[in-house]
Parts: sequence; C-alpha cells; structure tokens
Amino acid sequence: DQQVKQNSPSLSVQEGRISILNCDYTNSMFDYFLWYKKYPAEGPTFLISISSIKDKNEDGRFTVFLNKSAKHLSLHIVPSQPGDSAVYFCAAALDFGNEKLTFGTGTRLTIIP
Amino acid sequence: NAGVTQTPKFQVLKTGQSMTLQCAQDMNHEYMSWYRQDPGMGLRLIHYSVGAGITDQGEVPNGYNVSRSTTEDFPLRLLSAAPSQTSVYFCASSYGLTAEAFFGQGTRLTVV
Repeated sequence: DQQVKQNSPSLSVQEGRISILNCDYTNSMFDYFLWYKKYPAEGPTFLISISSIKDKNEDGRFTVFLNKSAKHLSLHIVPSQPGDSAVYFCAAALDFGNEKLTFGTGTRLTIIP
Repeated sequence: NAGVTQTPKFQVLKTGQSMTLQCAQDMNHEYMSWYRQDPGMGLRLIHYSVGAGITDQGEVPNGYNVSRSTTEDFPLRLLSAAPSQTSVYFCASSYGLTAEAFFGQGTRLTVV
C-alpha cells in the first residue's frame, strides 16, 4: 500500500518556465512533508519542507504548497534551470522530528535548454 | 566534512553469501537509518536507530540485521543474500529535532 504517491514518473519543462511536481498521500496522520532531489549515482539531498500548520513555504526558486483537505502537495520551481534536472522525491513524516520517512516513488524532471 | 560515508559503492554477491554494508557519519547525529531504492518503489525504510544501542525495524526489515554500538557507525548486515535483495542501499543520518536527513552516496548491490 503506497501511502505517498507521485503519479507522474517523468516531466519535461523548458528552461526558464515553471516546473510543478505533484505528490498525493493517503495517511491523514502525516504532519510534516519534505522534498528531496537526487542526481544519478548520488544520495538524495534535502530541498525544502513544510509543516501541516502552513500551506506554503518558499526558499528561493522553490516553493512547496500543501493542501491538507485534498492530501496533496506540490513543488514549484521558478524559473527552471538545467541543473534542476534530477529525480525528485516527496516524503512524509508523522510529525516534525519523527525520523521515519515514507517516500514517494519519484518524478524524473528534465529541463530542456 | 565527510558527512555520511557508505562502503562499498558496488558489490556483487552470490545467493546465500553474507556481507556487511558500512555506514559512518561524522555529524554527531543521533538518528541513522537504512533505505533501499528499487525501480518504481521509491525509498523504503529497512531499519533505523535513534541512538547508540537502540535500533528498530522499518518497512522492509526481513533478511537484514543492524546494530549501533557507536553514534558514528550503523552497519547493515545481509544474513543470506537473495536475488530479491538486489537494490541500491542508502544510509542516512539526521538530527533528533528535524526530519531532514543527510544521505550517503549509496551502495549498488547485485545478488546473482
């Protein structure tokens, strides 16, 4: 039973445009959400997070939106750059500080120059 | 600052062999964990530890053992390798007050 789902395995976006990556979850007890970015042959690296008490968190070109009623979160990258080409995983935790992360299956983002 | 170091990077095992994947971190993190990444499955938690001497099972623990004798090290043991354990394994560590995990570079394991 996949509790965190990323339904788009891949996404291609023109350089300079907005990239929107989506993530859905089924467990209403999840309270803290994260996005990780992974390049080939490297481990995932933390990108941005959001607590359920917020509906938006920004960090430079990256913004995460959370819609708790829809159990949906999204990552917006504006403007997209070639270095953003990677696999993006969303992850969820039961609460802030809980180290058991449940990951989605990942979306491969390709930025077209 | 090395962060999280995993060894080896690549390994081929025969069915039934045993081996230990090494993981070390130099950030003095209390929390460490092992994940496996398989195509179409994302990362799944195998075992985790909230401090030296304390370990617990994750989502897919069968066939693996862990121990945590020091804060720095968290080895993962495959007791009797099976082809189903062919995967990429990631070790991660984190502070106790945040779920932001730092990952190692991964170990690609093939069991034939």
